[in-house]
Amino acid sequence: QKEVEQDPGPLSVPEGAIVSLNCTYSNSAFQYFMWYRQYSRKGPELLMYTYSSGNKEDGRFTAQVDKSSKYISLFIRDSQPSDSATYLCAMSASSGANNLFFGTGTRLTVIP
Amino acid sequence: GAVVSQHPSWVICKSGTSVKIECRSLDFQATTMFWYRQFPKQSLMLMATSNEGSKATYEQGVEKDKFLINHASLTLSTLTVTSAHPEDSSFYICSASLWSGLYEQYFGPGTRLTVT
Repeated sequence: QKEVEQDPGPLSVPEGAIVSLNCTYSNSAFQYFMWYRQYSRKGPELLMYTYSSGNKEDGRFTAQVDKSSKYISLFIRDSQPSDSATYLCAMSASSGANNLFFGTGTRLTVIP
Repeated sequence: GAVVSQHPSWVICKSGTSVKIECRSLDFQATTMFWYRQFPKQSLMLMATSNEGSKATYEQGVEKDKFLINHASLTLSTLTVTSAHPEDSSFYICSASLWSGLYEQYFGPGTRLTVT
């Protein structure tokens, strides 16, 4: 069983839609949860991070963590064509970067 | 924001040859650099962690004699794939960090290696 599972998509939505991206995981020790956004031909960039359970909001983006279900989500409100990218979830049991587990990424296209 | 570059972005080499990939932090000094590998439809997997001036730490299952890492300066780390084989064909991506913390990694754009 993979440490982190993420639906690779692709996912296409019309502009203005609410997008829901999800990951599940198997390791109950994971405490740190991150979402990265990767544009074509670019490296991943950190979008949001959350420690332990709960929600975190940043503009149009909301990250949710449900540790009881081992499930994390990223919601994008009022999606824009500029949101078209691959979104990767990542998680870790410790604060060290050498213990990071990534999902495979979900490719999102927002259609104008 | 912090910028990390990789060179080359795409390389094709023949089986048995070696290929070197460079990772540079352009506007900051990186005490720690990480090398990842991603096979098609799979996750980014950490290969090794390198700190400037010291030997790299390899993850389990990664052959240190095959994947040579040199972190000679605070802005440059290199990964050399020695005696490459077709199964080494993959997407190699580096990240750089001021320290080894989770939230301060800046990723390069990656290098696509194809071994024929």
